[in-house]
Amino acid sequence: QVQLQESGPGLVKASQTLSLTCSVSGASISSGDYYWTWIRQSPGKGLEWIGYIFHSGDADYNPSLDSHITMSLDTSRNRFSLNLTSVTAADTAVYFCARDFRDDGGNSVGFDVWGQGTSVIVSS
Amino acid sequence: DIQMTQSPSSVSASVGDRVTVTCRASQTISYLAWYQQKPGKAPNLLIHTASNLQTGVPSRFSGSGSGTEFTLTINSLQSEDSSIYYCQQADAFPWTFGQGTTVEI
Repeated sequence: QVQLQESGPGLVKASQTLSLTCSVSGASISSGDYYWTWIRQSPGKGLEWIGYIFHSGDADYNPSLDSHITMSLDTSRNRFSLNLTSVTAADTAVYFCARDFRDDGGNSVGFDVWGQGTSVIVSS
Repeated sequence: DIQMTQSPSSVSASVGDRVTVTCRASQTISYLAWYQQKPGKAPNLLIHTASNLQTGVPSRFSGSGSGTEFTLTINSLQSEDSSIYYCQQADAFPWTFGQGTTVEI
C-alpha cells in the first residue's frame, strides 16, 4: 500500500522560506510511472496545484508561483521536497503531497494517492 | 488557465436519492477527474478521464460528459456520501480544480 506523509513547520514568518518534505512508502520515487506533486488548499483559493517533479528531476510548476518554487528529490530517502521562498499571508494553506498517475499515453488522469496534509500558517 | 465551474455550490438530498453535480470547463478538455473530500481529510479520487471509476470506488458513483460539460452522478445516495466534491482538469498546465460542491444528506 502506497502512503505519503508530509512534514514541515506549521508556522513560518512572512518573507522567509517554507520547506516541506513528503516521505513515500510502498513505492519508489525513482520509478518512471508517476509524477510527485504538491497541492495546497486554502479557504480563499480552494485547491491549487503547485507543481510536480519526475524521477529524472524534471519539474513543472504553476506559473502563478513559478518564481518562488523549487522542488527536489531525495532518492536515497525516497522523499521529495518543496521550497517556497518569500512567503506571504497568501501562502497560508493546507499543503498536500500526492501522486499523479498517468495513462498509457502519458496523460495525467488524476491524483490517486494523497498525504493527509500539513497546515502552514504564515505569520507577520 | 482553464477555469472549472461547478454547479450547484451545494445540494441537500435524502438517502436513496440521485444527485447530479455539473462541472463546466472554459475550454474543451478530455482529462477530467472527480474527487470526494471529507472534513479534515485529503481528497479521494473517484472518477478519472471523465467516466472511469477508480478502483475501490462504489459503483453508485459515475461520471459522464465530454468537451466542456461533465457530470458526476451519485445514485442511491448513502449517508457516508455527505462530502464536498471537486472536479479537476489535466489537459493544460496548470492543472485546475473547480470550487467544489457540498452534498448534504
